[in-house]
Amino acid sequence: GAGVSQSPRYKVAKRGQDVALRCDPISGHVSLFWYQQALGQGPEFLTYFQNEAQLDKSGLPSDRFFAERPEGSVSTLKIQRTQQEDSAVYLCASSSQLGNSPLHFGNGTRLTVT
Amino acid sequence: KNEVEQSPQNLTAQEGEFITINCSYSVGISALHWLQQHPGGGIVSLFMLSSGKKKHGRLIATINIQEKHSSLHITASHPRDSAVYICAVRLRGTSGSRLTFGEGTQLTVNP
Repeated sequence: GAGVSQSPRYKVAKRGQDVALRCDPISGHVSLFWYQQALGQGPEFLTYFQNEAQLDKSGLPSDRFFAERPEGSVSTLKIQRTQQEDSAVYLCASSSQLGNSPLHFGNGTRLTVT
Repeated sequence: KNEVEQSPQNLTAQEGEFITINCSYSVGISALHWLQQHPGGGIVSLFMLSSGKKKHGRLIATINIQEKHSSLHITASHPRDSAVYICAVRLRGTSGSRLTFGEGTQLTVNP
């Protein structure tokens, strides 16, 4: 598989549950981004990694959101004590290097909190 | 006011029509992306521009840096072009390739 892979594709959680969303970027891609897309809206930036370093987490909406990329490859976005307003599609994207390089997106994980 | 604004929000066309989607931004950028999003969420990068014009098949993207404006054109539109088209910019001075997105234009092409 040459593309960005996200899992699960769909996740339904009861309010208050913790969830973990996984992103497998394209092999060798240095930059990895997480975005949150509410229904009918454009994606909103959450956080950015360069290799294993989380360089920007200014878009994380609360301290219930946590992201990691411990070995500079796979990344996990964790949401603790989910709330209904967390329901959205969570998109992961990667690119090969800094600067003007194209982004490759995964198909996203659709999270529904009931 | 959003930093990135697209128009129209919704567009319905007949097969074969020439389509234009516009994107205006209010800040300094280092690059602009046009993306296509099909139902189900998958996003495909169509173009990345920092100046001038690019063409790929029936798609053409232009950018005018002075006017802070970009357009995406689709020639000889086809029902399979139906999707959401999103403009996204990389703000000058922001980390890595962080993008700021417009809200998208929902395009429906009827046969």
